[in-house]
Amino acid sequence: SQQGEEDPQALSIQEGENATMNCSYKTSINNLQWYRQNSGRGLVHLILIRSNEREKHSGRLRVTLDTSKKSSSLLITASRAADTASYFCATVERSGFQKLVFGTGTRLLVSP
Amino acid sequence: KAGVTQTPRYLIKTRGQQVTLSCSPISGHRSVSWYQQTPGQGLQFLFEYFSETQRNKGNFPGRFSGRQFSNSRSEMNVSTLELGDSALYLCASSFDSGGLYYGYTFGSGTRLTVV
Repeated sequence: SQQGEEDPQALSIQEGENATMNCSYKTSINNLQWYRQNSGRGLVHLILIRSNEREKHSGRLRVTLDTSKKSSSLLITASRAADTASYFCATVERSGFQKLVFGTGTRLLVSP
Repeated sequence: KAGVTQTPRYLIKTRGQQVTLSCSPISGHRSVSWYQQTPGQGLQFLFEYFSETQRNKGNFPGRFSGRQFSNSRSEMNVSTLELGDSALYLCASSFDSGGLYYGYTFGSGTRLTVV
């Protein structure tokens, strides 16, 4: 399979805590993107990090990228119940771009 | 501005039938991609169109096809439906081919059930 792997598969935390999700991929990439999906609906783009970047922030989100290890992490700080969703990483390969290769996803549950 | 619009939202079809799904991208976006999501296989790339040309195709049988019109709207067609085609079909649009700069905007999807 071309898919990347994400861990953990599921994560359950309390409101106010931080949530960290990890993603590993297999090929050389142009960029890596994180998406959120609520209850089998459409995907919402969260953040894009290019292969020459190491860290990026957007609001309560912090993404890191380590191309030598082919891995990325998404940190959500001060989680809220509304953050409950599935989170997917997706890579755009350096060659043959024009498509996203998705990871397996992490299901996050944030309890009030 | 309006988001990516997919129609219909839900669809029930019988094995052997064919189905056409529609996607209207964000105004100004010339790239439209299609993805299939199932519990077993996850999110899988189907194909991408840019300025009416298919730029890339995933590993799906020839029963899956698509096209893009001059106004960037796209349709995908699945012929001779099989039970395994039951899935959430997601359309995504981007300004550039490959979403290299701004990522993709996804529609809410069409839930296809084949019985």
